[in-house]
Amino acid sequence: SQQGEEDPQALSIQEGENATMNCSYKTSINNLQWYRQNSGRGLVHLILIRSNEREKHSGRLRVTLDTSKKSSSLLITASRAADTASYFCAARGGQNFVFGPGTRLSVLP
Amino acid sequence: DGGITQSPKYLFRKEGQNVTLSCEQNLNHDAMYWYRQDPGQGLRLIYYSQIVNDFQKGDIAEGYSVSREKKESFPLTVTSAQKNPTAFYLCASKSEQGAMYNEQFFGPGTRLTVL
Repeated sequence: SQQGEEDPQALSIQEGENATMNCSYKTSINNLQWYRQNSGRGLVHLILIRSNEREKHSGRLRVTLDTSKKSSSLLITASRAADTASYFCAARGGQNFVFGPGTRLSVLP
Repeated sequence: DGGITQSPKYLFRKEGQNVTLSCEQNLNHDAMYWYRQDPGQGLRLIYYSQIVNDFQKGDIAEGYSVSREKKESFPLTVTSAQKNPTAFYLCASKSEQGAMYNEQFFGPGTRLTVL
């Protein structure tokens, strides 16, 4: 029943570049959220976009949502080495959240 | 990690043994969740509870059991019936009302290894 599927699976960029990660899901959602996970740690909520929104910004993060394509993207601008982590989308259609496999982002100094 | 604690951080168990993972939160959240994470994969829902004394199975509940006797606590027992229990286990909680309604807060996780 997994809904979220991110791509790419892994992304390696230089500091200062932008990083774009994509997420697809399968059924109707109320909202879609992005989380960050540092290696061996819990997840931290980054940003939420509701089903009636198309774009949302938070600091260096920009999220878009296309419900017709059942897809979302997360853009991190001006990346820093500290952004190195795994990023997960979580689709919420009812009470629960369905997470994708994540994108591992490496930002090289 | 936002007022949620999990213990222990690392846990080793022999095959055939039951083991209980602790999850405690002081955020006054009604809902609590247990997820399993395998290498290179996303989170899969094991059990969740929206209120004290009530819980529901998630996608992969077989071989696991939970209890919710107190609002603050949601322990997970990995039983010997779980065929492949080695994984990283994450607990989360969420408010059921207010501005933070949609956001889950995660604990630091417990890494379980079956020897």
